[in-house]
Amino acid sequence: DVVMTQSPLSLPVTPGESASISCRSSQNLLHTNGETYVDWYLQKPGQSPQLLIYLGSKRASGVPDRFSGSHSGTHFTLIINEVQAEDVGVFYCMQALHTPITFGQGTRLEIK
Amino acid sequence: EVQLVQSGGEVKKPGESLRISCQGSGYRFSSYWITWLRQMPGKGLEWMGNIDPRDSYVDYSLSFRGHVTFSVDQSISTVYLNWSGLKASDSAIYYCARHAPHTSTFDSWGQGSLVTVSS
Repeated sequence: DVVMTQSPLSLPVTPGESASISCRSSQNLLHTNGETYVDWYLQKPGQSPQLLIYLGSKRASGVPDRFSGSHSGTHFTLIINEVQAEDVGVFYCMQALHTPITFGQGTRLEIK
Repeated sequence: EVQLVQSGGEVKKPGESLRISCQGSGYRFSSYWITWLRQMPGKGLEWMGNIDPRDSYVDYSLSFRGHVTFSVDQSISTVYLNWSGLKASDSAIYYCARHAPHTSTFDSWGQGSLVTVSS
């Protein structure tokens, strides 16, 4: 199975500052079609997860442009600019190129 | 508006059977797979597998194969997650999600169904 390793697991952030979450995969996630099958999801407290970023760097509909995704090889990064109180929750990276689909352990963002 | 509405919470005893549901609306139901995911208490997300509503083709994670089954009733745009012999370790929140085949993205989620298995 593909292992997705996130860091940090806990991320205290002051409102207005930027935050970065890293996700490293144990295998290449680049499809022959040129797309990289990595998504980012946010699970706010008491809610279902919601899609933020898909195919490595594409922002989902309705997601603020404060959120951005990038990647280089097997290293994937989620950047949140100008963190707001509403961004609190657990962020997960996920790979969908190989079955079984696998998730990172989650990164809990909290407001200082 | 795309919506996935799941059935409510359940409390069951070990060995009992259970079926929970996920009804889609606001989109062409047959055009998207439905994925089931498990979240155990205080833990992360686990992919259980997905079902294609067009032909009921199923792809199960090896971790869940043989313990759960998925089924679909296209006439009411509903997918089911079935157990025939629950264990205490099945206690978790189960989510269904709309799975876009071309991007392999979970772009819409149900509200979750809490399953508690206890003697």
